[in-house]
This record gives sequence, C-alpha cells and structure tokens, in this order.
Amino acid sequence: DQQVKQNSPSLSVQEGRISILNCDYTNSMFDYFLWYKKYPAEGPTFLISISSIKDKNEDGRFTVFLNKSAKHLSLHIVPSQPGDSAVYFCAASAAGTYKYIFGTGTRLKVLA
Amino acid sequence: GAGVSQTPSNKVTEKGKYVELRCDPISGHTALYWYRQSLGQGPEFLIYFQGTGAADDSGLPNDRFFAVRPEGSVSTLKIQRTERGDSAVYLCASSNDRDSPLHFGNGTRLTVT
Repeated sequence: DQQVKQNSPSLSVQEGRISILNCDYTNSMFDYFLWYKKYPAEGPTFLISISSIKDKNEDGRFTVFLNKSAKHLSLHIVPSQPGDSAVYFCAASAAGTYKYIFGTGTRLKVLA
Repeated sequence: GAGVSQTPSNKVTEKGKYVELRCDPISGHTALYWYRQSLGQGPEFLIYFQGTGAADDSGLPNDRFFAVRPEGSVSTLKIQRTERGDSAVYLCASSNDRDSPLHFGNGTRLTVT
C-alpha cells in the first residue's frame, strides 16, 4: 500500500522555466510534509517542508503548495536551473509519529 | 559542522554472511533513522531511535535485521545470514525533533553476491 505517490517518474524542463513536481497521499493523518533532492551516490538533501496548518511555504526559488482536501502537494521551482537536475522525493509523517513515508521519486532534468 | 557519516560506503558480502553498517549522526541529534533504498524506489523506513531506545522498528523486514544505539549517538545496523534481496543502499538520518527535517548520510551500498 503506497501511502505517498509520485506518479511521474520523470520530467524534463527548459532552463529558466518552471518545474512542477507533484505528490499525492492517501493517509489523512499526515500533517507534515518534506521535499528532498537526491544526486547520484549521495544521500537525500532536504529542500523545503510544510505543515498541514499552512497551504504554502516559500524558500527562494522553491515553493511547496499543499491541498489537504485533495491530499495533494506540489513543489514549484522557478526559475529552473541545470543544477536542479536530480531525483526529487516527497515524504510525509502522521501526527504523533516520527516515521516518514517517502514517495518513489521524480527524476527532473533541466535542459540548458 | 559535520553531517551524518556512514561507514563503510560500500560493502560486498557473500550470501549467508553477517554484516554491520555504522552511522554517526549529527552531534546533539536525538532522533536517528535507518532507511533502505532499492533501485528505482524511494527510501523505505526500517527503524527509528529516540535516544538509546528503538521507538519504532515496524519497518525491519524480518528478524535477521537488528539495530542498536547503545549510547544514544552512534548506531549500528546488523544483518544476519544475508540474502541477495538485501542488496540496497542503506541510509541513515538524524534530526533534532519531530518537526525538523531529516539529515541523511550518503548511505552504505550493500551488495550480497
């Protein structure tokens, strides 16, 4: 039972344009969400988080949107840069727990 | 400051052997996690420690897997009677508290031949 789903395994975007990565979840108890970026042979690197009390969080070029009714979150990267090319994972945890469930990832390729 | 350190970075072992994977978390982080990542998949939760105790070990696949954190800092993941299906990257992460992000190490790539 995949509680956190990233249905697009890959995405290609032109440099300077917007990248939108999507994530869906099924567990209504999830209340804290994270996005990670992963380069080959490295561990995942934290990008941005959002709590369920918010619907948007912004940090520089990265913005995460949360739609609780749809159980959907998205990561926007504007403007996209070639160095953003990596695999992106969303993760979620339920209230009162420390266990994070990860999606299967989306490979982003930013074309110069 | 130093990040999460995992050793070894690569481990090749024969089926049936015993292996230990080590994790040094960020100093002062009380929470420590072990995840496993197979090719094309996201990190899969194995176990979480708060201090010295395993607060949630629901992700350990079977009793061949065991982890300890005796002094609340360094942790060791132990796998007995390894099987080829255990081949994966084993990731360790630490954090300050629940609403702080996990900081990951670079992982140990385990190959069971």
